[in-house]
Amino acid sequence: DAKTTQPPSMDCAEGRAANLPCNHSTISGNEYVYWYRQIHSQGPQYIIHGLKNNETNEMASLIITEDRKSSTLILPHATLRDTAVYYCIVRLDTGANSKLTFGKGITLSVRP
Amino acid sequence: KAGVTQTPRYLIKTRGQQVTLSCSPISGHRSVSWYQQTPGQGLQFLFEYFSETQRNKGNFPGRFSGRQFSNSRSEMNVSTLELGDSALYLCASSFPTGGGTQYFGPGTRLLVL
Repeated sequence: DAKTTQPPSMDCAEGRAANLPCNHSTISGNEYVYWYRQIHSQGPQYIIHGLKNNETNEMASLIITEDRKSSTLILPHATLRDTAVYYCIVRLDTGANSKLTFGKGITLSVRP
Repeated sequence: KAGVTQTPRYLIKTRGQQVTLSCSPISGHRSVSWYQQTPGQGLQFLFEYFSETQRNKGNFPGRFSGRQFSNSRSEMNVSTLELGDSALYLCASSFPTGGGTQYFGPGTRLLVL
């Protein structure tokens, strides 16, 4: 699985959009980009994933650049409950590969 | 649909003992993976079970083992506990054949004294 690089931390104001960047310059053509978040001492929570098209669900939007070497997770209206560590993970989705390789993630602090 | 459940949620053991942790996947999910999370090493993959067979294994000593039952429930066992085994142990399940989105349970917090 390709390696990802995320800044260690960022903050944003409550109610504003939070844009979390991720670099994955060695991603291969059939590897997906996954985002999870972990609120302190809880299990990681799945947010969204995508291959090359932009994706949106009730939680967030995922924007993947055309060359697929980077992506951005967008939380459109951040709340205090969005304060968490966010992990960007690249993974080959095959029937025999469930393993997720977590990096250090990015700590998002939402301020009132 | 109920999420992934793990029992117990908290556990205290002493060095040299062994421990068994349990994980019940989301109904219909057949792949169960286990992860260890410590402040120093972060989240690390332990192993994955699918159809009662270990399919992938991380870089952990043989003291860490697991199994999966026919109903997809899984257990992991750690023998001869060491202080460094203190961690949050997380279980994740996926549907239908593994390689899909993994959903995590709340974890079991193990403290080894």
